[in-house]
Amino acid sequence: GENVEQHPSTLSVQEGDSAVIKCTYSDSASNYFPWYKQELGKRPQLIIDIRSNVGEKKDQRIAVTLNKTAKHFSLHITETQPEDSAVYFCAACSTDSWGKLQFGAGTQVVVTP
Amino acid sequence: EPEVTQTPSHQVTQMGQEVILRCVPISNHLYFYWYRQILGQKVEFLVSFYNNEISEKSEIFDDQFSVERPDGSNFTLKIRSTKLEDSAMYFCASRLSYLNTEAFFGQGTRLTVV
Repeated sequence: GENVEQHPSTLSVQEGDSAVIKCTYSDSASNYFPWYKQELGKRPQLIIDIRSNVGEKKDQRIAVTLNKTAKHFSLHITETQPEDSAVYFCAACSTDSWGKLQFGAGTQVVVTP
Repeated sequence: EPEVTQTPSHQVTQMGQEVILRCVPISNHLYFYWYRQILGQKVEFLVSFYNNEISEKSEIFDDQFSVERPDGSNFTLKIRSTKLEDSAMYFCASRLSYLNTEAFFGQGTRLTVV
C-alpha cells in the first residue's frame, strides 16, 4: 500500500521568511496530493492540492510542486505570518481507490514574530 | 458553507463498553470516511463507505468496528468493545463525487477510553 514520508517534523521560521515541507510517496498509482493545515484541536482543512497531471500550483502565498518521477511533492509558504503556525499534513491518494487519503506524519510549523 | 458535523465532541467510556460516534456528512456527498488520529500522531484511514457499503477498510478496522448509514443523513462508527488503545480523535469526512477529490473533515470526536 501507499506510504507517505514527510519532513521535517518541526519547522521554526521567522515571520516573513519562507517555509518548505517535503513529502515522498511510494505508490505510483497515487494521482492526487492534498495538503491540510490543522490548528490545535481543530479539524484538518485543505489549503491546496495538486493532481498528477500538473507539476506546480500556486495560490497566493502557498505553492505546491510535484515530481512524479521522483515521487515527491513539496509545500512552499512564502512571507510567513504568525497565523501560519499550525501542523501541516501532506497526503496522497489514488482516485481509483475510493479516495482513501494516506497522510504523512505532519510538520509543526512555528512562525515567530 | 456546508460542513461535516460530528457528535459528541468528546466521549469518555470505560474499557469494554460500546461507543457510537455520529457524523452528518454534507448533504449531497456520496463518499464517506472515518479516520482516526492518536494524540501527536498522523491521521490514519479507517474505512470508506459508498453506495451503502464499505468500499475499503484498513487493518485497524477489525471486527470490533462497524459503520452504518441508518437514515440517509447520519453516518456512524461503532466500536463494540473499546480498548485503551482506541483512545484517539476520530474524524469523519465526506466527498462529493468520484471526480471531486476534496475531502471535507468534521471537527472530530475525542474518544477517551479509561
